[in-house]
Amino acid sequence: DVKVTQSSRYLVKRTGEKVFLECVQDMDHENMFWYRQDPGLGLRLIYFSYDVKMKEKGDIPEGYSVSREKKERFSLILESASTNQTSMYLCASRTLGAGVLNEQFFGPGTRLTVL
Amino acid sequence: GNSVTQMEGPVTLSEEAFLTINCTYTATGYPSLFWYVQYPGEGLQLLLKATKADDKGSNKGFEATYRKETTSFHLEKGSVQVSDSAVYFCALLNTGNQFYFGTGTSLTVIP
Repeated sequence: DVKVTQSSRYLVKRTGEKVFLECVQDMDHENMFWYRQDPGLGLRLIYFSYDVKMKEKGDIPEGYSVSREKKERFSLILESASTNQTSMYLCASRTLGAGVLNEQFFGPGTRLTVL
Repeated sequence: GNSVTQMEGPVTLSEEAFLTINCTYTATGYPSLFWYVQYPGEGLQLLLKATKADDKGSNKGFEATYRKETTSFHLEKGSVQVSDSAVYFCALLNTGNQFYFGTGTSLTVIP
């Protein structure tokens, strides 16, 4: 079974802190994604990565950056956390294999609170 | 463009009631369609999927049929259980290999 793990389930930080959210997948997937989930807004794509060292902006990249130094790991960085970044953060991965339905696999989520 | 619209929640049903959660989509080309489920405190997990028109996805008693003529992929279950309480997301994967998710529908099943 594909496993996507996230470093923390719950995180509390203060305004202005630098925050790292880590995501690791164990199935050699090329693509990895970071979403935030807010009530009434569903899932919104922050950043994604097609491969190591590659990154693309999603729909709401402002205030975030990412790092993909190894294929299995995709990190989301909040350079200076703000209260409006309080949210549930979901990591996902999928393969781009030919002939494979590219199902997206999700981690359990990190609920971040910024005070 | 590409988008997914699903019915607003929350939905509250009694155990053994019939469930329908509506989902319609807009897409260029021929997308694949998915339903994901999120149980309390967890991430999303795939519930069922369909890759082409008239395909029926099914899993755990849930079904959805890919209707190209009405651009719909409604989720149904004949008899819900308390354990089905969760948030359900409809999603499409377009021909450009990008996922688009609906806003989610919260379901609560009461005994």
